[in-house]
Amino acid sequence: KNQVEQSPQSLIILEGKNCTLQCNYTVSPFSNLRWYKQDTGRGPVSLTIMTFSENTKSNGRYTATLDADTKQSSLHITASQLSDSASYICVVRVPGDYKLSFGAGTTVTVRA
Amino acid sequence: DTAVSQTPKYLVTQMGNDKSIKCEQNLGHDTMYWYKQDSKKFLKIMFSYNNKELIINETVPNRFSPKSPDKAHLNLHINSLELGDSAVYFCASSQGPSIREETQYFGPGTRLLVL
Repeated sequence: KNQVEQSPQSLIILEGKNCTLQCNYTVSPFSNLRWYKQDTGRGPVSLTIMTFSENTKSNGRYTATLDADTKQSSLHITASQLSDSASYICVVRVPGDYKLSFGAGTTVTVRA
Repeated sequence: DTAVSQTPKYLVTQMGNDKSIKCEQNLGHDTMYWYKQDSKKFLKIMFSYNNKELIINETVPNRFSPKSPDKAHLNLHINSLELGDSAVYFCASSQGPSIREETQYFGPGTRLLVL
């Protein structure tokens, strides 16, 4: 079983609307949790990073939250734009480990 | 200026062939990685090198052999290609493996299709 589970698998929203993506993880302890955006045909790009002591982190219209007690994170996209259409991947890092645990991603499609 | 570049971008080949994928980073990073992204979109680490030394070697077939001629390059050679090797292979680099908040920068990916 993967240590990082994301939901929903995919979603479609209208331009200008908001949406929230979920990430549940079982990795413990963890060093940091990161959200990546992967455009179709490209490599992932880091959006936000949070350590276990942080609750929220924003990057423009993207806001990530973290609840280390329940091992949940969310990524909120505000006033979506067509360019937000991409896969959003939740990634958790274990302290002292070089490796990262990746979720399968949520594919977001923004329609005009 | 491309930070992490990979060649080729697309690779279509027959089963049993041997092929190489090249990766270069111009960020001055010490650590480089190879990931495989399968059809279910999971990214899985395959190898990592720090200053030309292998630090991560996941359970991958020994048909896959990474080579790091210098810390700016990490190439991936695959022998006797199999159908299951079809995937997108991403190279990435980071400043160092032990930096707590280091960011990995990914290349554009190499789409490998084995026929």
